[in-house]
Amino acid sequence: QQQVKQSPQSLIVQKGGISIINCAYENTAFDYFPWYQQFPGKGPALLIAIRPDVSEKKEGRFTISFNKSAKQFSLHIMDSQPGDSATYFCAARFSWGKLQFGAGTQVVVTP
Amino acid sequence: SQTIHQWPATLVQPVGSPLSLECTVEGTSNPNLYWYRQAAGRGLQLLFYSVGIGQISSEVPQNLSASRPQDRQFILSSKKLLLSDSGFYLCAWSGGFVQETQYFGPGTRLLVL
Repeated sequence: QQQVKQSPQSLIVQKGGISIINCAYENTAFDYFPWYQQFPGKGPALLIAIRPDVSEKKEGRFTISFNKSAKQFSLHIMDSQPGDSATYFCAARFSWGKLQFGAGTQVVVTP
Repeated sequence: SQTIHQWPATLVQPVGSPLSLECTVEGTSNPNLYWYRQAAGRGLQLLFYSVGIGQISSEVPQNLSASRPQDRQFILSSKKLLLSDSGFYLCAWSGGFVQETQYFGPGTRLLVL
């Protein structure tokens, strides 16, 4: 049972463009929604996270938009750079700490 | 600051051999600890988690087991490896508080031949 659905599976964006990754969830018990960035051969690193009482959070070029009523959240990468090429995972956390991950999105930023 | 270590970084093992992967966390006490497996090009599958010494919960029935002999040490084991055990194994930790998220180690690449 996939509790967090992530799309697209992959995307290619030109340098300077906007990358958008979407996630949807079903379980209203989730209370925290982090995004992770993973480079090949490395462990995922926390990128940015949001709580359901906030509709948007921005950190540098990365923005999370959160729609509680629709049970959807998305990651926007503004002014995408080649160094942003990585796999991005959304996740949703149960209150005691367990994370439910999306399947991942491979982002390729072309020069 | 907190750091998480995993070793070995890479391991090649024959089918049927035993396995022991180790994860240690520094700079925190009483962390929640997690073991994940990631198949090539795939997402993260939670295998085990632990909220304290000797307390292990299994998410997926398989030939792997986990142990937590010390507060900041988490071990993943197998008595007999299968080909399907190949993958990238990640350890993660989180604080024992509601506000914390999970932080991942560098991972161990396991290839079973």
